[in-house]
Amino acid sequence: QVQLQESGPGLVKPSQTLSLTCTVSGGSVNSDNVYWTWIRQTPGKGLEWIGYIYYTGSTYYNPSLKSRLSMSIDTSKNQFSLKVSSVIAADTAVYYCASELRGPSYYPMDVWGQGTTVTVSS
Amino acid sequence: EIVMTQSPATLSVSPGERATFSCRASQTVSSNLAWYQQKPGQAPRLLIYDASTRATGIPARFSGSGSGTEFTLTISSLQSEDFAVYSCQQYNNWPRTFGQGTKLEIK
Repeated sequence: QVQLQESGPGLVKPSQTLSLTCTVSGGSVNSDNVYWTWIRQTPGKGLEWIGYIYYTGSTYYNPSLKSRLSMSIDTSKNQFSLKVSSVIAADTAVYYCASELRGPSYYPMDVWGQGTTVTVSS
Repeated sequence: EIVMTQSPATLSVSPGERATFSCRASQTVSSNLAWYQQKPGQAPRLLIYDASTRATGIPARFSGSGSGTEFTLTISSLQSEDFAVYSCQQYNNWPRTFGQGTKLEIK
């Protein structure tokens, strides 16, 4: 059973870069049938899908955030990461990592991390 | 992107009664629709996928229906542990999108 755990700073200053890591256990980030995904949740906007990274390094970012996003994957540590640049207060949220199966059909996000709260404030 | 609209925003129901949640997509998502339950301080938990298939370990009192643009989640007889926020999500198109959630509260 795959488990995911987010980690990273809980406080980021405005205009700086938010960096989070998701550690995968019980599975491998090298899986060719998984999209490794980030989602965030704010009181005002609810759940917002941020994007995914595939084991090859290919990505798809939400167009609303695309210009500020960067995702990477580290197979040696079995982790994948998210960076959001030039953060503002509206980036304050609970950030989740999750997995979505990739295949000939369509699949939901069935495994989620517990979430990590990030506050943007000076 | 596909906009998911849930109604109502809040649902007040007594334990033992039935609760019905609605979710509408701005364009067809076929049956690629999931429902999640979320309790305070917890991550969303997958309840229903493919519009009507219960995820592993989900009790039979939870059921989903619909296809295309109109979907429904029903809890047949509410238990105390069911009071939470319920969100729908489409996985037919990129970017994936969620509804804003319906809060189920005790009447």
